[in-house]
Amino acid sequence: GAVVSQHPSRVICKSGTSVKIECRSLDFQATTMFWYRQFPKQSLMLMATSNEGSKATYEQGVEKDKFLINHASLTLSTLTVTSAHPEDSSFYICSALGPAEAFFGQGTRLTVV
Amino acid sequence: GDSVTQMEGPVTLSEEAFLTINCTYTATGYPSLFWYVQYPGEGLQLLLKATKADDKGSNKGFEATYRKETTSFHLEKGSVQVSDSAVYFCALSRNSGNTPLVFGKGTRLSVIA
Repeated sequence: GAVVSQHPSRVICKSGTSVKIECRSLDFQATTMFWYRQFPKQSLMLMATSNEGSKATYEQGVEKDKFLINHASLTLSTLTVTSAHPEDSSFYICSALGPAEAFFGQGTRLTVV
Repeated sequence: GDSVTQMEGPVTLSEEAFLTINCTYTATGYPSLFWYVQYPGEGLQLLLKATKADDKGSNKGFEATYRKETTSFHLEKGSVQVSDSAVYFCALSRNSGNTPLVFGKGTRLSVIA
């Protein structure tokens, strides 16, 4: 099946720094990508919808200035967590919309210390 | 809004045991229903889906039937294997998968030999 690569899989950063997470669709072009976040023992919650060549659409309660999303090409979307704080520690996962279904990356475990 | 509720884990079974993971949903209209599986260190993979009432999705020995009357999509497998150990997510989508998914919290399954 189609492959979506997400990098890095784990990252530890200091409070106040920024972290970039990449999501690549390796064998198909994805006009639309989704970014989800999962807190421990909670559901994956949609953060934003990323559309190639246009601004991302953020879900209610998600700070667009804190979670910067760039979808500059049909195979790459990036999520940058700016000025990270310990409460941003979470599991982030991307999804790329293929022709018939959505394909998911491996997820990124972010720990802010 | 739309929501998915699935049974809490973790679930531990012996090899060849029968598996049921309950999933119920709340949504207006007729959503599509999905089961995703996440093996350790990997991204979510689509396990099976059903797009209308009474449809049965099946794959790798797993089955789930779309029950409109009980708003349920329970996952079953007659005889689990150690290799089935993973986290299972129930999800719904307004369309056939080309819109963001609403996920349950996930159920961790451990199968012991």
